[in-house]
Amino acid sequence: EIVLTQSPATLSLSPGERATLSCRASQSVSSYLAWYQQKPGQAPRLLIYDASNRATGIPARFSGSGSGTDFTLTISSLEPEDFAVYYCQQRSNLASVAFGGGTKVEIK
Amino acid sequence: EVQLVESGGGLVQPGRSLRLSCAASGFTFDDYAMHWVRQAPGKGLEWVSGISWNSGSIGYADSVKGRFTISRDNAKNSLYLQMNSLRAEDTALYYCAKDMRATVTNVGEYWGQGTLVTVSS
Repeated sequence: EIVLTQSPATLSLSPGERATLSCRASQSVSSYLAWYQQKPGQAPRLLIYDASNRATGIPARFSGSGSGTDFTLTISSLEPEDFAVYYCQQRSNLASVAFGGGTKVEIK
Repeated sequence: EVQLVESGGGLVQPGRSLRLSCAASGFTFDDYAMHWVRQAPGKGLEWVSGISWNSGSIGYADSVKGRFTISRDNAKNSLYLQMNSLRAEDTALYYCAKDMRATVTNVGEYWGQGTLVTVSS
């Protein structure tokens, strides 16, 4: 079973700063790597799919990269509405999925 | 507009059963895989189970394997989760989510608002 480890657990930044979030898999995984944003009291929202493709309506400041075991979500310039928890998710085989533990991006 | 509406949650005693339903609309249901994802209070997301478009491929988290059963009825645009032998640690908000493809790939292109399951005596 693949384990996804997200780091850091908490990222304290100011609006306008760049955020770099990491997701590391315990073994090499497929390109079906997604990133989600979740705000308190809301369902998650898909940001990035297939490691680097932005979902519909997602601003260009969000970008994803990586392959193999290391993946990154970058927010180029934080907006006030970007402070939230972010999760990565990967499909490990035909019908098995894992989520990372999450990274909280908080206002410094 | 894609809509996913979960129902069936509630308070249940340990060891009992519950069946969750998810009514889908706004897309061609039988073209996509579907999932159940849960979130315990104050915790992160946990994938519970997923099912391909034709029910030919089904997967479960180790934590629910042998106790939960996922199914779908494409004629009724509905997804189900039969939960048996419930435990306190199954207490969570259960989300229904639509995959991006017919087979399991990226779990949650769209999400419902969730239905709360509380397992307690």
